Amino acid sequence: DTAVSQTPKYLVTQMGNDKSIKCEQNLGHDTMYWYKQDSKKFLKIMFSYNNKELIINETVPNRFSPKSPDKAHLNLHINSLELGDSAVYFCASSPVEDRDQAFFGQGTRLTVV
Amino acid sequence: KQEVTQIPAALSVPEGENLVLNCSFTDSAIYNLQWFRQDPGKGLTSLLLIQSSQREQTSGRLNASLDKSSGRSTLYIAASQPGDSATYLCAVPFMDSNYQLIWGAGTKLIIKP
Repeated sequence: DTAVSQTPKYLVTQMGNDKSIKCEQNLGHDTMYWYKQDSKKFLKIMFSYNNKELIINETVPNRFSPKSPDKAHLNLHINSLELGDSAVYFCASSPVEDRDQAFFGQGTRLTVV
Repeated sequence: KQEVTQIPAALSVPEGENLVLNCSFTDSAIYNLQWFRQDPGKGLTSLLLIQSSQREQTSGRLNASLDKSSGRSTLYIAASQPGDSATYLCAVPFMDSNYQLIWGAGTKLIIKP
């Protein structure tokens, strides 16, 4: 049973396209996150949702729009993809009472050509 | 600017050796420090978490130390095995960062059989 699952695992798309990455967690956690890992391997938080409400929104272009239909899902939609969006995107979740116990998905490698 | 730095960026050692990975951070006001393991295509796995009041944590062949005053943590791996090959990341939530994790770039470890 996968605790945090992301789909797709790999995504290759052309500049200008709109794409979505889905994330689901079956841990009953209240908090979910999206991270971006750039080419230098640094992970940076993009968004954090707690019970479907946005609580962290880092300096991310508004082409990126997270959507949380319920607390088990946090999808990432990206409009007008650019070359610089190429990266690995990680979804994670944690219980609200223990933010240290974050569980990560396997990552989605996005390549924009 | 709060930063987390990991040295070396890559390390290759023969099986059976004991080794040390280093993590340094720029501000001693932290909640805790975590070490993660990243395997290609498998996401991130938390290995050890050291609270700011602790000096070290141990799990099996892994021992992590924390020296807040010098802004350093080490991850000691005893009797390394080929299965330990992975990228090891440290992450720190600084106290004035709204509990956002600041990540190092990781150390890519290769254990040669």
